[in-house]
Amino acid sequence: DSGVTQTPKHLITATGQRVTLRCSPRSGDLSVYWYQQSLDQGLQFLIQYYNGEERAKGNILERFSAQQFPDLHSELNLSSLELGDSALYFCASSVSLGGADEAFFGQGTRLTVV
Amino acid sequence: DAKTTQPPSMDCAEGRAANLPCNHSTISGNEYVYWYRQIHSQGPQYIIHGLKNNETNEMASLIITEDRKSSTLILPHATLRDTAVYYCIVRSGSSNTGKLIFGQGTTLQVKP
Repeated sequence: DSGVTQTPKHLITATGQRVTLRCSPRSGDLSVYWYQQSLDQGLQFLIQYYNGEERAKGNILERFSAQQFPDLHSELNLSSLELGDSALYFCASSVSLGGADEAFFGQGTRLTVV
Repeated sequence: DAKTTQPPSMDCAEGRAANLPCNHSTISGNEYVYWYRQIHSQGPQYIIHGLKNNETNEMASLIITEDRKSSTLILPHATLRDTAVYYCIVRSGSSNTGKLIFGQGTTLQVKP
């Protein structure tokens, strides 16, 4: 158990809908990262928050947004869903911003868009 | 962040040491070498990381060459449960993000 909790574990929804994925970081971790893993694309970095502020953006679509709340949990919002958004979504957390601290991953949310 | 090169796949016999190589010839002085693995769609699992010196923990050993241009992850006694995709990642120690950029990794198949 990494200490990073993601909910829900599975989500099935229809095209055009909006969903929210939740991530609770390890206790004491200020940084949260979101990743998408589709069958044909590997693990893609989406976005990072540190202590409530956005710190880095990767290949995140405009239909997707995220935020980190004062209690440090984070939510990834996916809207106007398309079939191609079906994927595993992982979040990770680490203590600080820099690369000296290991990041730990949750078990992911499997999103299926039908 | 520097790029890494790993072989796409490797086999290892159960009980033997698995040695997974990684090239990172453009690594800079403040960049760490990280290893993660992913077992069949589970969340990536942290294994080990290092800057210059060799490192060992309960899971594995990390050997970094003196010029830091390559490294080897060693699983001393591979088991069937070590079958996974192993990712070698170079990560800046001083950036203001610390994001991990995953490549394609090495698929390690441990065989009985």
